[in-house]
Amino acid sequence: EVKLLESGGGLVQPGGSLRLSCAASGFTFADFYMSWIRQSPGKAPEWLSFIRNKANSYTTEYNPSVKGRFTISRDDTQNVLYLQMNTLRAEDTAIYYCAKPERNWADYFDYWGQGVMVTVSS
Amino acid sequence: DIRMTQSPASLSASLGETVNIECLASEDIYSDLAWYQQKPGKSPQLLIYNANSLQNGVPSRFSGSGSGTQYSLKINSLQSEDVATYFCQQYNNYPLTFGSGTKLEIK
Repeated sequence: EVKLLESGGGLVQPGGSLRLSCAASGFTFADFYMSWIRQSPGKAPEWLSFIRNKANSYTTEYNPSVKGRFTISRDDTQNVLYLQMNTLRAEDTAIYYCAKPERNWADYFDYWGQGVMVTVSS
Repeated sequence: DIRMTQSPASLSASLGETVNIECLASEDIYSDLAWYQQKPGKSPQLLIYNANSLQNGVPSRFSGSGSGTQYSLKINSLQSEDVATYFCQQYNNYPLTFGSGTKLEIK
């Protein structure tokens, strides 16, 4: 059974940093590109970033809305996906999901974690 | 960025009815389109990919169609468990983008 479990969320002041983690199990994590997606309450999801697999040199893509502030990374030995978030703003307040693509290179997602809340407020 | 315009924003229908949700892309996305269902407090669930391919385990009353810039999700024989918000997502170009959602309720 595929499981994705995010952690590391919480309340942070504007300008602060957080690192989110996503522990994956039930599939060959190392083979799959993995993404972070966020969703503000009552809004549509917003794709943030993905990281390719080792065969594709762990290259990354970012939404311009977070490029330069957020960094995606992965540890295939521990089956964990990370999102380092710096210089956080009030508009970064959202539920953050990690998501697995339906095929290892695909850009649509058949499994999402339960999400972790990030609140940016003073 | 490719803009996905979804309509209607909300929809109320009776049990057993057929409903259609539309998604218009700001440019040709060559059928690189997925549909998701999101129930309150839950993560989105994949229904359809490649515009018309049904994800494993999804009831056959869900179907997708379209090409170019115009796509639709059809739900036949509406069931109470279909109450949810539905989103389209394009994956033809980065950044991946989602429609604004359609909230489906039972009349």
